[in-house]
Amino acid sequence: SQKIEQNSEALNIQEGKTATLTCNYTNYSPAYLQWYRQDPGRGPVFLLLIRENEKEKRKERLKVTFDTTLKQSLFHITASQPADSATYLCAPSGPGNNRKLIWGLGTSLAVNP
Amino acid sequence: DAGVIQSPRHEVTEMGQEVTLRCKPISGHDYLFWYRQTMMRGLELLIYFNNNVPIDDSGMPEDRFSAKMPNASFSTLKIQPSEPRDSAVYFCASSLPRSQETQYFGPGTRLLVL
Repeated sequence: SQKIEQNSEALNIQEGKTATLTCNYTNYSPAYLQWYRQDPGRGPVFLLLIRENEKEKRKERLKVTFDTTLKQSLFHITASQPADSATYLCAPSGPGNNRKLIWGLGTSLAVNP
Repeated sequence: DAGVIQSPRHEVTEMGQEVTLRCKPISGHDYLFWYRQTMMRGLELLIYFNNNVPIDDSGMPEDRFSAKMPNASFSTLKIQPSEPRDSAVYFCASSLPRSQETQYFGPGTRLLVL
């Protein structure tokens, strides 16, 4: 079955540094992959979508890469700020032509001032 | 735009009781998703609808769970009878019919079954 793995350990970094989060998937080839942010007590919020034919996508301080050979996506936050502290969820599209997303458990990021 | 609206925000009930969760998707969105989130299992898709029709309910745990979408602006998720292992946060999300597959989530309903 499809499996999504994200950094299980919480990530603690210093303000101003770059945070890098990893998402690995196995047993299938998603057509696209999304990253969401989730704050405590709230629903996930969409950040970025990258398609299988794109290697990299940027939005302000965020950058996502998608390596279909390694079956991996990396999510970078440059010049990190304490406000970036949250849980980040990776969600590749499910197999087949449908709207299902397969969700990782998320990586908790803490940016220390 | 009010976003996805869910009610109630919190629900505490006793084992065996019926629980009904409600969702109003964003106007114009024709996909609606119900998820359950726990620490151990993360976000699990229970069921999703397109144009009010259930497309995939393979994630519904068992017959105790049922979902309906009587019109484009309202959906319910019902658990009958509820059990303590159903305790979780239940999210509703909606998305547009166009090529971008972004899902917009509601604030969730935190369910505790005693």
